[in-house]
Amino acid sequence: DSGVTQTPKHLITATGQRVTLRCSPRSGDLSVYWYQQSLDQGLQFLIQYYNGEERAKGNILERFSAQQFPDLHSELNLSSLELGDSALYFCASSPHQLSNTGELFFGEGSRLTVL
Amino acid sequence: AQSVTQLDSQVPVFEEAPVELRCNYSSSVSVYLFWYVQYPNQGLQLLLKYLSGSTLVKGINGFEAEFNKSQTSFHLRKPSVHISDTAEYFCAVSNTDKLIFGTGTRLQVFP
Repeated sequence: DSGVTQTPKHLITATGQRVTLRCSPRSGDLSVYWYQQSLDQGLQFLIQYYNGEERAKGNILERFSAQQFPDLHSELNLSSLELGDSALYFCASSPHQLSNTGELFFGEGSRLTVL
Repeated sequence: AQSVTQLDSQVPVFEEAPVELRCNYSSSVSVYLFWYVQYPNQGLQLLLKYLSGSTLVKGINGFEAEFNKSQTSFHLRKPSVHISDTAEYFCAVSNTDKLIFGTGTRLQVFP
């Protein structure tokens, strides 16, 4: 158990809908990262937050947004869903900024299926 | 830009045989390299990391990796695998704010 909690574990929805994925980082961790894992694209970095502020952005679509709240939990919002958004979405946390030396602690992921 | 290439998408091997999973990286600056493992239906967990110092790094579950700067490689090895090592293995390189992962190698251990 990494200490990172993601909900829901599984989610099935229809195209055009909007969903919210939730992540609670390990106790004391200030950084939260979101990754998308799909069969054709592998593990893609989406976005990082540190202590409530956005710090890095990766291959995140404009239809997607995220935020980190004062209690440090984070939410990833996916809207106008398309079939291609079906994937496993991982949240990871670390104590500070990654700073080249850090280890990420991953949750078990939220599996999104868009029909 | 930094990137990693995992040359093998799948590696089948029999139990108790040795295994090597290959990883090559590209970077114009000093690198920090990692191997993560993903067991079925689980998140990723760190196997080992190279930050500096000795080029031979030992990790959990009997795995080790060797950093080779001239070959720009960071191959993962285990002298004798178990059925329980069946999993997806990811090589990753770190820049200042994120980990960049390779496409993964599926290690399948057969009895």
